[in-house]
Amino acid sequence: GAGVSQTPSNKVTEKGKYVELRCDPISGHTALYWYRQSLGQGPEFLIYFQGTGAADDSGLPNDRFFAVRPEGSVSTLKIQRTERGDSAVYLCASRLAGGNEQFFGPGTRLTVL
Amino acid sequence: LAKTTQPISMDSYEGQEVNITCSHNNIATNDYITWYQQFPSQGPRFIIQGYKTKVTNEVASLFIPADRKSSTLSLPRVSLSDTAVYYCLVGDRNNNNDMRFGAGTRLTVKP
Repeated sequence: GAGVSQTPSNKVTEKGKYVELRCDPISGHTALYWYRQSLGQGPEFLIYFQGTGAADDSGLPNDRFFAVRPEGSVSTLKIQRTERGDSAVYLCASRLAGGNEQFFGPGTRLTVL
Repeated sequence: LAKTTQPISMDSYEGQEVNITCSHNNIATNDYITWYQQFPSQGPRFIIQGYKTKVTNEVASLFIPADRKSSTLSLPRVSLSDTAVYYCLVGDRNNNNDMRFGAGTRLTVKP
């Protein structure tokens, strides 16, 4: 079956611009996670959804970052007024209720010039 | 959330068995130990999970001593394609959001 997909695969933007990153989880997976990964580091937790609601957004670095999952499936990570320090790979993962593992997408590489 | 400590990097040669040890001194009673593998330009991929003693699947084995303060991921007869970063995570698997990634161990398999 189809895995987790993320679009775009690459995004280049200018400092100060707004970006949206999309995640399509595996069908039926109720849990969805966003991570950010910088070069040479492990994935850094950003936010976790259970269904439509953000159950834990403690990893969002500041109020420029926001994520939604309005119908409990597709999620969008939104970054306002991008800064060069936001450059990273943004990973999305989904998990089946009661499952042991998170299934990751290939990530979106964001570059802020 | 229990924290983990792993070696930053390891080198091996094709055909050898590789053992990566993870320390988790503060592991809680309900915590499980989970390992993920990540290749360049890909998201992490689940390898194995265990609670105690030994777990084996088609990819790896996981050894967990009785005190559960450490665990060892064992990769039999590695090949060049096993070059990747390996992450050890601990957390309550009944809590969907109880595990965090550290920096991982970068394994390099040489010919």
